[in-house]
Amino acid sequence: EAQVTQNPRYLITVTGKKLTVTCSQNMNHEYMSWYRQDPGLGLRQIYYSMNVEVTDKGDVPEGYKVSRKEKRNFPLILESPSPNQTSLYFCASSSSGVEKQYFGPGTRLTVT
Amino acid sequence: AQKVTQAQTEISVVEKEDVTLDCVYETRDTTYYLFWYKQPPSGELVFLIRRNSFDEQNEISGRYSWNFQKSTSSFNFTITASQVVDSAVYFCALSEPYSGNTPLVFGKGTRLSVIA
Repeated sequence: EAQVTQNPRYLITVTGKKLTVTCSQNMNHEYMSWYRQDPGLGLRQIYYSMNVEVTDKGDVPEGYKVSRKEKRNFPLILESPSPNQTSLYFCASSSSGVEKQYFGPGTRLTVT
Repeated sequence: AQKVTQAQTEISVVEKEDVTLDCVYETRDTTYYLFWYKQPPSGELVFLIRRNSFDEQNEISGRYSWNFQKSTSSFNFTITASQVVDSAVYFCALSEPYSGNTPLVFGKGTRLSVIA
C-alpha cells in the first residue's frame, strides 16, 4: 500500500530538548516536504526536497532542520524546540513538486 | 501579498444544499498548477484535484465540480447536494514551478459544516 508514515504521531516535550520527527514514503517519490498547520493559518511549508541531498527552505524554516540522505526518508529536526513550534506537522511526498502530494497522518507536537 | 486567498473562513449549510468554496490566487507565471485538498475531522489530507494553467476546462466528478477562470484568477469548488460527510476543511493550493519560490502555497482553508 502506497503510504507516507510519520513518527511519532503525538509528542509532548520541553523547551530546548532536541527532537526528530521521522518521515518515510514507499512510493519512490523524489519530492518530499514538511508543513506545519496552525489554526487560522492553513498549511505552511517548512522545508522541501527535490531529491536526495537536495533540500531548500519553505516559507517558515526558522528553528527547523532537515536532511535527505536516502530517497525514502526525510526527517524533521528541531534542535532547540520552543513553545511557538507547538503545531500539527505533516510530511508529504510526490513524484515532483507539481504533482499531487501524498500526506502522512500528521504529528501533533506540544512544546512546554 | 497572499498568493492564495480563501475568503470564506467558515461556511455552514443544510444537507442537500449546493455550496461553492471560493479560491482566488495570485501569480505572474504563465505556467502554474492549482490544487484542492480536503481535511475531514479525522485530520488526514486528501487530494481532490489538480489543474494546470493551460487547461481552463471545468471539471465534474460526481457531486464535485471545479470552475477555473484565469480572467479572474479563481479556481472555485462547488459541491452539489451536500452531505454530512462533506463536512471538512478544504484547502486550495498553488504551485509555481518556475518562479524560484517555494513550490506549493496553501490558502488558509474553508471549514465547511453540513448540517443534517
